[in-house]
Amino acid sequence: KNQVEQSPQSLIILEGKNCTLQCNYTVSPFSNLRWYKQDTGRGPVSLTIMTFSENTKSNGRYTATLDADTKQSSLHITASQLSDSASYICVVSARSSYKLIFGSGTRLLVRP
Amino acid sequence: DGGITQSPKYLFRKEGQNVTLSCEQNLNHDAMYWYRQDPGQGLRLIYYSQIVNDFQKGDIAEGYSVSREKKESFPLTVTSAQKNPTAFYLCASSMSGQVSYEQYFGPGTRLTVT
Repeated sequence: KNQVEQSPQSLIILEGKNCTLQCNYTVSPFSNLRWYKQDTGRGPVSLTIMTFSENTKSNGRYTATLDADTKQSSLHITASQLSDSASYICVVSARSSYKLIFGSGTRLLVRP
Repeated sequence: DGGITQSPKYLFRKEGQNVTLSCEQNLNHDAMYWYRQDPGQGLRLIYYSQIVNDFQKGDIAEGYSVSREKKESFPLTVTSAQKNPTAFYLCASSMSGQVSYEQYFGPGTRLTVT
């Protein structure tokens, strides 16, 4: 069964600190993996999208990694800011499929 | 100003009433989607449309209906047959229905049924 699992479910860090969010998936055959940021009560906004051949992709202070062999991805946030407080959703798609498989998200709270 | 708009942002209905959620995009995208988001769960696909006048059921289509008469519009009707309609509803669009294309999301509509 195609699944995406994220950990931790929630995380609290102090402003200025770094953090890493994890994503494990069992989607096959793999097409691409995306990370979205979703502010409370808003729609998700794309941070990165990676295909099978990409190991790392950055978007400002956000860096996503992908290990297609172990089917794991991580999202690293550097020098966190209060505005990073949001849910981060890992999304995986399979080749020859119309559908995206969504993880349940990691809720990040950055405290001053 | 391009993007996806959903209206209204908040919607309240009595049980037994049908309600229609609006989704409009001016990105000239062919594909449009409706998702439902519940606390602690990943987004679940309700319906999707890859082209005008065509749409397909997603994973949780029961109790919902859609139409796609215009490229830019994909309204979702939540019928009285939907047993647990209170949720956050998200509309998305992409250039094509292929999963390699980016999906852009609207701001969402929070529906509360009492």
